[in-house]
Amino acid sequence: GAVVSQHPSRVICKSGTSVKIECRSLDFQATTMFWYRQFPKQSLMLMATSNEGSKATYEQGVEKDKFLINHASLTLSTLTVTSAHPEDSSFYICSATDRLTEAFFGQGTRLTVV
Amino acid sequence: KNEVEQSPQNLTAQEGEFITINCSYSVGISALHWLQQHPGGGIVSLFMLSSGKKKHGRLIATINIQEKHSSLHITASHPRDSAVYICAAETSGSRLTFGEGTQLTVNP
Repeated sequence: GAVVSQHPSRVICKSGTSVKIECRSLDFQATTMFWYRQFPKQSLMLMATSNEGSKATYEQGVEKDKFLINHASLTLSTLTVTSAHPEDSSFYICSATDRLTEAFFGQGTRLTVV
Repeated sequence: KNEVEQSPQNLTAQEGEFITINCSYSVGISALHWLQQHPGGGIVSLFMLSSGKKKHGRLIATINIQEKHSSLHITASHPRDSAVYICAAETSGSRLTFGEGTQLTVNP
């Protein structure tokens, strides 16, 4: 089946620094990629939707200046957490779709901000 | 009230038992997804369905569009089936709204 690769799988960073998370579709062209966040014991929450070549659409309550999303090609989207704070510590996961088939999920990134 | 609700929240079964997880949704959907999330967090898509029934190995998913209800069944459950099972309603623009998940533990 289709593969979505997300990197890194785990990252620890200092408060105030920025962290970039990559999401790549390896064998299909992802016209749309989604970024989700999951806090412990809670369900996945959609943060933003990104379509290749256009600006991301952010969900209510998600700061676009803090969570920078770039979807510059059909196979790569990046999420940058800027000026990270401990409350940004969470599990971030992407999914990608070519809109013809189901969405495929990355492995997720566990971010810890210390 | 959540747009997607799952039951039960937690389920413990003995190996070999038949398992059912239920999902009800209140929004109009283009498809209903069943996902499996392992302890490390990785998510695997099990099914995407918009009508009827799908079967893959020991897993069966059904959906009743009129009643806005879907079920995931696992036959002959095995400890390796232990995971969180999540249903998600796909709405316009391929957006997914997730249920809170069902933690399944299958004991040997």
